[in-house]
Amino acid sequence: KNQVEQSPQSLIILEGKNCTLQCNYTVSPFSNLRWYKQDTGRGPVSLTIMTFSENTKSNGRYTATLDADTKQSSLHITASQLSDSASYICVVRRGGATNKLIFGTGTLLAVQP
Amino acid sequence: NAGVMQNPRHLVRRRGQEARLRCSPMKGHSHVYWYRQLPEEGLKFMVYLQKENIIDESGMPKERFSAEFPKEGPSILRIQQVVRGDSAAYFCASSPTLEGGTEAFFGQGTRLTVV
Repeated sequence: KNQVEQSPQSLIILEGKNCTLQCNYTVSPFSNLRWYKQDTGRGPVSLTIMTFSENTKSNGRYTATLDADTKQSSLHITASQLSDSASYICVVRRGGATNKLIFGTGTLLAVQP
Repeated sequence: NAGVMQNPRHLVRRRGQEARLRCSPMKGHSHVYWYRQLPEEGLKFMVYLQKENIIDESGMPKERFSAEFPKEGPSILRIQQVVRGDSAAYFCASSPTLEGGTEAFFGQGTRLTVV
């Protein structure tokens, strides 16, 4: 079954600290993996897109990793800020003609002062 | 270039009424996707459309729900005879091509409340 699972479900950290969010997927065939940030009441906004051949990709303080062999990805946030408080969603695009994005349930991150 | 526009942002309907949700994709985008997000849950795929065609509707409930993306105008998600369980946030996304690395941009969503 094509699934995307994320952990932890929620996380609280202090401002300035680092954190790492995990994503495991069973989607096949695999096309690419994306990390989205969703602020409360807003639509998701893309942080990174990683294809099969990419192991690491950075976007500012966000660094995503992908291990296509173990079907795992992580999102590392460095020097967290209060504005990082949001839901972080791992999304895997299934290959083929349907162009379907399969969403994880997200990790809710709260950054406290 | 305006982003993906969804309207209304908030919609309240009584049980049994119809709900129409609109999505205008980004300029130049001919691929539209609808997702539903129930409270405390992740986004779930509903339907994928190209202009005048439904490509994948495997996530659409079999009854009461329909979607279209006409040659002219916005994509419409229509829910007939709404029930309380339809209360959710409905998000629309658009992309320009089928290419794997192409970005999909999301709208701000329509929050449907059925009373």
